[in-house]
Amino acid sequence: GAVVSQHPSWVICKSGTSVKIECRSLDFQATTMFWYRQFPKQSLMLMATSNEGSKATYEQGVEKDKFLINHASLTLSTLTVTSAHPEDSSFYICSAPLPAGGGGNNEQFFGPGTRLTVL
Amino acid sequence: AQSVTQLDSHVSVSEGTPVLLRCNYSSSYSPSLFWYVQHPNKGLQLLLKYTSAATLVKGINGFEAEFKKSETSFHLTKPSAHMSDAAEYFCVVSVPYSSASKIIFGSGTRLSIRP
Repeated sequence: GAVVSQHPSWVICKSGTSVKIECRSLDFQATTMFWYRQFPKQSLMLMATSNEGSKATYEQGVEKDKFLINHASLTLSTLTVTSAHPEDSSFYICSAPLPAGGGGNNEQFFGPGTRLTVL
Repeated sequence: AQSVTQLDSHVSVSEGTPVLLRCNYSSSYSPSLFWYVQHPNKGLQLLLKYTSAATLVKGINGFEAEFKKSETSFHLTKPSAHMSDAAEYFCVVSVPYSSASKIIFGSGTRLSIRP
């Protein structure tokens, strides 16, 4: 099956610093990727849709200047948490569908997640 | 509008007894429906998916789900629970988004297994 990786798997940073999280589709091209945030004991909340070659689309209530998304290539999307604060501590997960016609039947392939802790 | 509702936030069963995790959906389109499992501090693993083929879908680890259009339900079942089934389970609906698909997560159901 299709594989999505994330790097790093965990990161601890000081308040005020910026953190970049990478999401890669390893064996398929993804023109669209999705970023989620999951707080402890809660469901995944869609933050934004990353589009290769164009601007990301953010869900309501998500600050686009705070969470910068860059879809640099057909296999890589990055999420940068700028000026991170303790309330940004969370589990960040990305996903990517197979291209239309790729036989994926709308299935999303998820990365393993990145745990961010802001001190 | 599309939505998915998991009716139970927490389900507890004894090992060896059946499991039922309930999910209802709302979709303007013919939905694609999924169940994912998440073990503590781990990523999401696909259990099974419904994509307009057979209404009874068999997944991994003995799980299965039945798509019932009349009831807009997609409940997850397993005949006999194992201790290793203890995890968080998410029902997911997929909706068209441009040339790809966007998914909407249910709130999750935590499954506990009693020895």
